[in-house]
Amino acid sequence: QQKVQQSPESLIVPEGGMASLNCTSSDRNVDYFWWYRQHSGKSPKMLMSIFSNGEKEEGRFTVHLNKASLHTSLHIRDSQPSDSALYLCAAPMNYNQGKLIFGQGTKLSIKP
Amino acid sequence: EAAVTQSPRSKVAVTGGKVTLSCHQTNNHDYMYWYRQDTGHGLRLIHYSYVADSTEKGDIPDGYKASRPSQENFSLILELASLSQTAVYFCASNSGTNERLFFGHGTKLSVL
Repeated sequence: QQKVQQSPESLIVPEGGMASLNCTSSDRNVDYFWWYRQHSGKSPKMLMSIFSNGEKEEGRFTVHLNKASLHTSLHIRDSQPSDSALYLCAAPMNYNQGKLIFGQGTKLSIKP
Repeated sequence: EAAVTQSPRSKVAVTGGKVTLSCHQTNNHDYMYWYRQDTGHGLRLIHYSYVADSTEKGDIPDGYKASRPSQENFSLILELASLSQTAVYFCASNSGTNERLFFGHGTKLSVL
């Protein structure tokens, strides 16, 4: 069964520091990923998507995609306490692009 | 932003009882999904639907039924609730393949 694996499970970063989160799919047909952010007690909200090899930057957030290794990473620079949340990576399910498989998430804590 | 409304916000149910979780979206989305989230973890797909009057099984359908009577409404039914079904349930919708998911605020279900 297709899996999406995220690492690390949890991460503590000092305020102003760089946070780096990783995600890999076991399905060789996956060619794009989504990143969602979920603050405690809230619903997930789409943060960024990446459909092409390379890098995509939006403000303090940068996403990388390497289709050959089925790997994506999310980098947050100048981390703020408000970035503390559960970060979920998602990839489309085998041969069914409408369904998303989510990883178990990375819990990010920003220490003031 | 797309609006997805879930009811109830929280529910306490007894083991063996019937539970119905409701979801309503007002954005003309064709695709609707039910996910389950256990504390601090990722999302697992229970059932989904691409069109009214039709539902599909997700990754963990056992113990759950779904109903899509109209484009706007999608329900999740637990005929015989069990302790293991204690979780937060999220409904989501989108307009199709490769499109972002919009989540409801979630329903916290406690089965005692």
